[in-house]
Amino acid sequence: KQEVTQIPAALSVPEGENLVLNCSFTDSAIYNLQWFRQDPGKGLTSLLLIQSSQREQTSGRLNASLDKSSGRSTLYIAASQPGDSATYLCAVRGSGGYNKLIFGAGTRLAVHP
Amino acid sequence: EPEVTQTPSHQVTQMGQEVILRCVPISNHLYFYWYRQILGQKVEFLVSFYNNEISEKSEIFDDQFSVERPDGSNFTLKIRSTKLEDSAMYFCASSPPPGLAGGELFFGEGSRLTVL
Repeated sequence: KQEVTQIPAALSVPEGENLVLNCSFTDSAIYNLQWFRQDPGKGLTSLLLIQSSQREQTSGRLNASLDKSSGRSTLYIAASQPGDSATYLCAVRGSGGYNKLIFGAGTRLAVHP
Repeated sequence: EPEVTQTPSHQVTQMGQEVILRCVPISNHLYFYWYRQILGQKVEFLVSFYNNEISEKSEIFDDQFSVERPDGSNFTLKIRSTKLEDSAMYFCASSPPPGLAGGELFFGEGSRLTVL
């Protein structure tokens, strides 16, 4: 049974810092991995999608890497801003291409000015 | 840009009442999902739906829950007799056929259900 763990659970940093959020999963037979952002009481905003055959994806200040064999992904946020404050969720999709996403509990990020 | 839409955005109901949450998935998508998130907890899988039938369901998805795609566009989640513990945000998601859009799941904004 796939389990997804995110470390740290919470992070508070001053503006401008570069951040690394960690995600690990127990079953390496995945189809893809998605990183989401969730603001309090709101929906899920997809940030990055990495296919199982890829090593990384970049979007603006965000870079996500994937090491499928070791069951790890990291989300790197460069030059953090107060507007980055949110919960970041990692989710993996089982192999087969139609399977469900399994979510981690998230990392709650606070960036203070 | 196509998006998944959900209604209502918020519903308040009395315990024991039936609730229907509605979703309009992206038009060329084939796989449909419901998830829920109890306040302060993980996003949990409820059910997946493909080719007009349930393809997988979780332990949470008991006989009180049902899903339907009544008219080829809407995808509904029905809770027959709501309990206090059904209070949560419910998310609908859809996905295109494998090989398209990288197999990404697209989520709606959610429907917040409050059971009193």
